[in-house]
Amino acid sequence: QVQLKESGPGLMQPSQPLSLTCTVSGFSLTSYSVHWVRQHSGKNLEWMGRVWSDGHTSYNSAFTSRLSISRDTSTSQVFLKMNSLQTEDIGTYYCARNYFSTSGHVMDAWGQGTSVTVSS
Amino acid sequence: DIQMTQSPASLSASLEEIVTITCQASQDIDNWLSWYQQQPGKSPQLLIFGATNLADGVPSRFSGSRSGTQFSLKISRIQVEDIGIYFCLQAYRAPWTFGGGTTLELK
Repeated sequence: QVQLKESGPGLMQPSQPLSLTCTVSGFSLTSYSVHWVRQHSGKNLEWMGRVWSDGHTSYNSAFTSRLSISRDTSTSQVFLKMNSLQTEDIGTYYCARNYFSTSGHVMDAWGQGTSVTVSS
Repeated sequence: DIQMTQSPASLSASLEEIVTITCQASQDIDNWLSWYQQQPGKSPQLLIFGATNLADGVPSRFSGSRSGTQFSLKISRIQVEDIGIYFCLQAYRAPWTFGGGTTLELK
């Protein structure tokens, strides 16, 4: 059974670095890539980036150089680190598995999401 | 970046009604368009991939279509469990971009 589960600190202070973990089961990170997606205001979804099955990464340029995604295949975990957290970064953060077929790429399994609040 | 313009932003429908949600891509994305449903309090779930293909376990009352750069999700015979937010996603070119979402509620 494919599962993804996000974990994180919940409440953050402005300008602090954010660290989130996505723990996966039921599939291997060396066979599937994993995305990070965040949701603002309970509606707007934004693709942040992904770690590919070979370990390289792709990022949304909207996050410039403050975002880093990595993984540990031995623990089946994917990590998100984002610097200079601002109130605009408030939202729910999801990790999702990428599935590729001849019909293209999709996010075929999602975690439950972890909520991030930024407040001083 | 490829812009995905989704409409309507919200929709109120009666049970058994037929509704259609559309996404307009700002450029050609071939068939690399998927649809997701987010029920209240839950994470998004895949409904349609490759513009027209139903994901496993999705009821046949959901269907997807494409006309050029315009994509549509049709829900026939709305059921209570269909309430939630619907999103389109283009995976043709990075950064992947989502439509703004359509909130479906019951009348």
